[in-house]
Amino acid sequence: QEQLAESGGGLVKPGGSLRLSCTTSGFKFIDYYINWIRQAPGKGLEWLSYISPTGNAVFYADSVKGRFTISRDNAKNSVYLQMNSLKVEDTAVYYCARELRPYYEFLTGYHVWGQGTLVSVSS
Amino acid sequence: IVLTQSPGTLSLSPGERATLSCRASQTITSNYLAWYQQKPGQAPRLLIYGASDRAPGIADRFSGSGSGTDFTLTISRLDPEDFAVYYCQQYGSSPRTFGQGTKVEIK
Repeated sequence: QEQLAESGGGLVKPGGSLRLSCTTSGFKFIDYYINWIRQAPGKGLEWLSYISPTGNAVFYADSVKGRFTISRDNAKNSVYLQMNSLKVEDTAVYYCARELRPYYEFLTGYHVWGQGTLVSVSS
Repeated sequence: IVLTQSPGTLSLSPGERATLSCRASQTITSNYLAWYQQKPGQAPRLLIYGASDRAPGIADRFSGSGSGTDFTLTISRLDPEDFAVYYCQQYGSSPRTFGQGTKVEIK
């Protein structure tokens, strides 16, 4: 069964750092881009970042560029999101997600999602 | 690319037809437009990709149409389980972007 599972969320003070992990199983990890998306309480979805299968292509939303860094370890089938200089407005549930088809086929939306991990930024 | 969804809320009864709109600020590359359904406390679920292709396991009462900058999600006959929030997303350009969502509520 194809699965993604986020971990590493928690309560952090403004200006602090947190590292989220997205652990995957049940599919060929190196064939897929992985994305991070977040959802602030009561708000809509916000796409944050993606990383290519080899890790040599990454992209960020303007809201997190320069503060967040995405990386992956293909040996551990995992993707990470290092979050620095956290702000109150970064409070959200953070999801990792994968496309329906592998990178060498056509692009699709995100078919496999984790359950999310809550990040709370508060003093 | 900014995606604007309308209406913000749609109040309908089970069995009725729902029509949701998503308008893009510029042409979406290759019609790379997806629709998601999200229920409270759950991760989003992919319904439609490529503007009109249903994702695996999605009921045929869900259909997507449109091209360029104007896209539509239609639910032909609302089932009680369809009352939820729906988001469109473009994935043809980076950064990827989502619309602000349309809530479909029971009238």
